[in-house]
Amino acid sequence: QKEVEQDPGPLSVPEGAIVSLNCTYSNSAFQYFMWYRQYSRKGPELLMYTYSSGNKEDGRFTAQVDKSSKYISLFIRDSQPSDSATYLCAMTTGGGNKLTFGTGTQLKVEL
Amino acid sequence: DVKVTQSSRYLVKRTGEKVFLECVQDMDHENMFWYRQDPGLGLRLIYFSYDVKMKEKGDIPEGYSVSREKKERFSLILESASTNQTSMYLCASSFPRVRAGGTTDTQYFGPGTRLTVL
Repeated sequence: QKEVEQDPGPLSVPEGAIVSLNCTYSNSAFQYFMWYRQYSRKGPELLMYTYSSGNKEDGRFTAQVDKSSKYISLFIRDSQPSDSATYLCAMTTGGGNKLTFGTGTQLKVEL
Repeated sequence: DVKVTQSSRYLVKRTGEKVFLECVQDMDHENMFWYRQDPGLGLRLIYFSYDVKMKEKGDIPEGYSVSREKKERFSLILESASTNQTSMYLCASSFPRVRAGGTTDTQYFGPGTRLTVL
């Protein structure tokens, strides 16, 4: 079983929809949780960062962490075609430098 | 803006060739990483380095080596390329950032090199 599980999609939604992307994990020592966005033929770029449980909002994006369920989510409100990309979750125990990544969910926002 | 550059976007090599992938970052980051990315497998860490001349194995180091002679440059070497090393290779760099609960790093990625081994 992988340490981090993420549905690969593809997920196709109409413009303006609310998108929910999720990851589950098995290592209860993970404390820092990140979401990266990767456009086609580009490297991943950091979108959101969250420490421990709770919510964090940045514009149209909200990251949510539920450590008791070992479940993290990224919500995108008012989705746009420019949001079409692969979204990778990543997490680490902290105090070190290795990240453990999910396999990524491919999102397509259609006009 | 942090910039991580990789020497080639696309590379085609033959089985048995020695392959060098170069990565340069311009933000004086201590830490540098090499990953490969494959469909269904996600990002897998090959090697990383905390400082010049230091290196540590990641999750899949077999068939690879690395070199870090200067702080800004981290090279990945495929000693004898094989077809199962056909992949997207991503370099990243990071610096320690103090956050709530401890210290962790934000990794910045380069654009990737798509390597095909024939």
